[in-house]
Amino acid sequence: GAVVSQHPSWVICKSGTSVKIECRSLDFQATTMFWYRQFPKQSLMLMATSNEGSKATYEQGVEKDKFLINHASLTLSTLTVTSAHPEDSSFYICSASAGGTYEQYFGPGTRLTVT
Amino acid sequence: KQEVTQIPAALSVPEGENLVLNCSFTDSAIYNLQWFRQDPGKGLTSLLLIQSSQREQTSGRLNASLDKSSGRSTLYIAASQPGDSATYLCVPTQGGSEKLVFGKGTKLTVNP
Repeated sequence: GAVVSQHPSWVICKSGTSVKIECRSLDFQATTMFWYRQFPKQSLMLMATSNEGSKATYEQGVEKDKFLINHASLTLSTLTVTSAHPEDSSFYICSASAGGTYEQYFGPGTRLTVT
Repeated sequence: KQEVTQIPAALSVPEGENLVLNCSFTDSAIYNLQWFRQDPGKGLTSLLLIQSSQREQTSGRLNASLDKSSGRSTLYIAASQPGDSATYLCVPTQGGSEKLVFGKGTKLTVNP
């Protein structure tokens, strides 16, 4: 089956610093990748959609200058949380789609804690 | 705007029971519908995907049905096991955008 990895699986950073999260499709080419955020006991919320070689499309209320998304290749997308603050602490999950069936394959998630 | 409702919000059953999880969605313009499970602090595990043209899908002890026109899907779990304990999510893929819409899920606990 299609496998999506995320790195790191968890990260702790200090307030004001930036952190980068990688999302890779390991055995397929992902035409579209999605980034989600999940706060404790809440549903997953879509943050942005990215297509390879194009600028990401952000959902309403998501600051594009704070959450930088780069989809440089068909197998890699990165999310950089800039000038992180404690309220950015959350579980970040990516998914990838190869088109066709519109099935999305999810990564295992990255737990970000900002101190 | 698509909204997903899952009933019940939580369910606790003894091991071995057959059970049904219900899902309703407001916009029938979907590409497909996926059922996922999420364990605490973990990512999503895909269970079943039903294309919009299909009525049901089966995988092992799981069977999912889809009635797109009425905006309903059900997940049937046969002979439940403690390892089935997780939150189950019914997730339609919006037509035209590929966006997934998440509800709050059903938290299932299967007691040994």
